[in-house]
Amino acid sequence: GAVVSQHPSWVICKSGTSVKIECRSLDFQATTMFWYRQFPKQSLMLMATSNEGSKATYEQGVEKDKFLINHASLTLSTLTVTSAHPEDSSFYICSALRNPGNTIYFGEGSWLTVV
Amino acid sequence: LAKTTQPISMDSYEGQEVNITCSHNNIATNDYITWYQQFPSQGPRFIIQGYKTKVTNEVASLFIPADRKSSTLSLPRVSLSDTAVYYCLVGDKGDSSYKLIFGSGTRLLVRP
Repeated sequence: GAVVSQHPSWVICKSGTSVKIECRSLDFQATTMFWYRQFPKQSLMLMATSNEGSKATYEQGVEKDKFLINHASLTLSTLTVTSAHPEDSSFYICSALRNPGNTIYFGEGSWLTVV
Repeated sequence: LAKTTQPISMDSYEGQEVNITCSHNNIATNDYITWYQQFPSQGPRFIIQGYKTKVTNEVASLFIPADRKSSTLSLPRVSLSDTAVYYCLVGDKGDSSYKLIFGSGTRLLVRP
């Protein structure tokens, strides 16, 4: 299947700092990518849809100023968690829409721990 | 977006066939049905996708009745490594705002 890669796999940061997570589609171009977060033993929650060259579309309840999404190229989307707090600690997963076929493939996920 | 309902959990034994059924009563005409598998601390992995009747690939089969209000993922001869959470999702792939909203999924435990 298609390959979507995230970096870093895990990161620890101090409260109040910002951290960036990258999502790359390695073998296809993706005009649309998605960002999810997942808490232990829970399902994935869609945070936002990232569109190449335009602003991201955020789901209800997700703070756009806190979770900055940039999709500057057809193979890269980034999620920046600004002014991180311990409650932002979670598993963040990205996915990318591959065409033709419109099948969505997921990255390996990134663990964020805010201390 | 059509909501899906799956059993919360299922148990099986190695070598058995496992069938996980998903209900999607409000599925729209253009919606496709997609199943993903997720292991702990990993992103979901695409298993299979279909629109109607039966789809088969190297790892699973997907059965969709004529009314499309449900679908069944069939895993032949499961092994311990098939222990995971399985998600059923529906969505219109042709829609410019296509996205996947996850339900609770089915936790499959395969016992020796």
